[in-house]
Amino acid sequence: DGGITQSPKYLFRKEGQNVTLSCEQNLNHDAMYWYRQDPGQGLRLIYYSQIVNDFQKGDIAEGYSVSREKKESFPLTVTSAQKNPTAFYLCASTSGSGVGGWAYNEQFFGPGTRLTVL
Amino acid sequence: DAKTTQPTSMDCAEGRAANLPCNHSTISGNEYVYWYRQIHSQGPQYIIHGLKNNETNEMASLIITEDRKSSTLILPHATLRDTAVYYCIVRAGANNLFFGTGTRLTVIP
Repeated sequence: DGGITQSPKYLFRKEGQNVTLSCEQNLNHDAMYWYRQDPGQGLRLIYYSQIVNDFQKGDIAEGYSVSREKKESFPLTVTSAQKNPTAFYLCASTSGSGVGGWAYNEQFFGPGTRLTVL
Repeated sequence: DAKTTQPTSMDCAEGRAANLPCNHSTISGNEYVYWYRQIHSQGPQYIIHGLKNNETNEMASLIITEDRKSSTLILPHATLRDTAVYYCIVRAGANNLFFGTGTRLTVIP
């Protein structure tokens, strides 16, 4: 089945440690995104990538880093510089084909990773 | 992207139509209206989108007013599994989707 997978579903880390969240898609999508969601809030964009080896900062990129070495993978590292990392992290992807391309196509979301920093 | 206004919460009886309103009075001519929903602790799910014509798919219908300043998402026969937070988003080629706080729909047996 095609889709987006995120692992792990739940993650616990000690304060001051870096942690990397996995996101893989087999939809052959060009663009991938990372969002953060806090309780009772909407989603906020952290980083996005439209093509391999290129990525752009979103609204809340401070304290996070990403890489896009392969089309199907877009891992997110939460660094110790992120002051309040406990949150629900969502990865999404979208196709670049069709009328309007990635800018208008619907985004497909993974199941999310709930990160708790102790 | 234009901002949207949605009611915080709504209830709907199971089997009845759920009508979820959204105001987007500052929408511009090239902005589409998208609807997503998020069931508790899961990733958002795309439902439908449109520009100015009404749209229908297997999940829902989208009614956009003639002046495009508001829209309504219709779930024709709500089930318990439709209980979720519904997000209305307007977008014109932006890299991200601006998710506000949405409408929490509760389907009541």
